[in-house]
This record gives sequence, structure tokens and C-alpha cells, in this order.
Amino acid sequence: GAGVSQSPSNKVTEKGKDVELRCDPISGHTALYWYRQRLGQGLEFLIYFQGNSAPDKSGLPSDRFSAERTGESVSTLTIQRTQQEDSAVYLCASSFGLAGDTQYFGPGTRLTVL
Amino acid sequence: AQKVTQAQTEISVVEKEDVTLDCVYETRDTTYYLFWYKQPPSGELVFLIRRNSFDEQNEISGRYSWNFQKSTSSFNFTITASQVVDSAVYFCAVPDGGATNKLIFGTGTLLAVQP
Repeated sequence: GAGVSQSPSNKVTEKGKDVELRCDPISGHTALYWYRQRLGQGLEFLIYFQGNSAPDKSGLPSDRFSAERTGESVSTLTIQRTQQEDSAVYLCASSFGLAGDTQYFGPGTRLTVL
Repeated sequence: AQKVTQAQTEISVVEKEDVTLDCVYETRDTTYYLFWYKQPPSGELVFLIRRNSFDEQNEISGRYSWNFQKSTSSFNFTITASQVVDSAVYFCAVPDGGATNKLIFGTGTLLAVQP
């Protein structure tokens, strides 16, 4: 079946602009996660959705970052007034949401802020 | 708190060599899962294995095998007869244990297999 998809695959923007990153999870997966991976580093958690609710936003680095999920499906991560330190690969993952369930990752969006 | 340590930053081997990637974890939970993911140069994280802490049997899948030792909090990954296609960054991860089940990742080990 179809895996997790993300768009765009690459995004180059100018400092100060807003960007939106999209994630389409695997159908039927109620849990959705956003992670960030800076160059040469591991993954850091940003936000978790269960259904359309976000009970854990603890990883969002600042109030410039927000995310929403609709229809228990698509999620959008928005970064306002982008800064150069926002440059990273943003990865989305989904799972059935039970404890210990495997998270399946999308291909990521590579964001470059000039 | 949960923590994963992958002490090997980079490993370089020649094709057909065996290689072991180390993973040491910390968890406050009595039952937990452990994961390995592969990130090839294309960038996508590929799921390799999930292991329940109840099950300490080693697992083998083709050229891949995993050695889980609860007593030493280690979950090591061995590739037998490595191939160039095995070149990637490998991540070990443990769930946070809270309601979110978010994954705590190690810093990864870059494996380069030379032809």
C-alpha cells in the first residue's frame, strides 16, 4: 500500500518568509509525528497528533512553528518568519498509535532558508 | 528519561566484511520496545526491526541480525557479508514511554562499505 508522503520534497525560501510543509500519513494511521533532522544530526521530535488533536507540542522550538491536522489525515507544519537555523530536513511519520507501534517515515522535506 | 547512545560515529569496512553497530539505551520503563532504522543517502528512514523487551532471543533476517541484552541495556545490530548497498546512517531508537510514544533517537552511525 501507499506509504507516508510529504510535499514539497525540497523548499528554498528567503529569510523572513512563511513556509508550509505537508504530510499525508498511511491510511488508517491515527498517530502522526513531525521530526526535524539538522545536517549530520539525529532526529528531534517536534509534535505529535492523535487524530486531529495535538496532545504533545513540546518539541516545537518557538511560536513561529505551528501544525494542524484535519480529517484525521493530512497534516501541515507551518513555519512563520523563517530563520536560517530552520534549515533542516523535516520528517513526518505515522503509526496506529498504540504503545510501541512502529512509526513509518516519509521521504522528508528539505528546507533551505537563505 | 529515555536516552540512546550510539558511540560509533562512523565505520568504514570493505565489502564482505561483517560489521556490528552498537546501541546502548536508557529507559525508565519496565517493558519497552527498541527500534533500528536505516537512512540511505536518499534520506528516507527505513524501518528495520522492532524488538519487545520481553523477548531476548536474537533475531536474524537474511544478512542482518540483532543481539538484545537487557542486562547491559544493549541492542546491537550486525550485518554479515556487508555490501555497498548497506552504506547508510543507522539509527537506534526507543519510545519516550509517555502517552505520545514519540521516538528518542541516537545520533546515528554512518556505515561506509567500500567495494
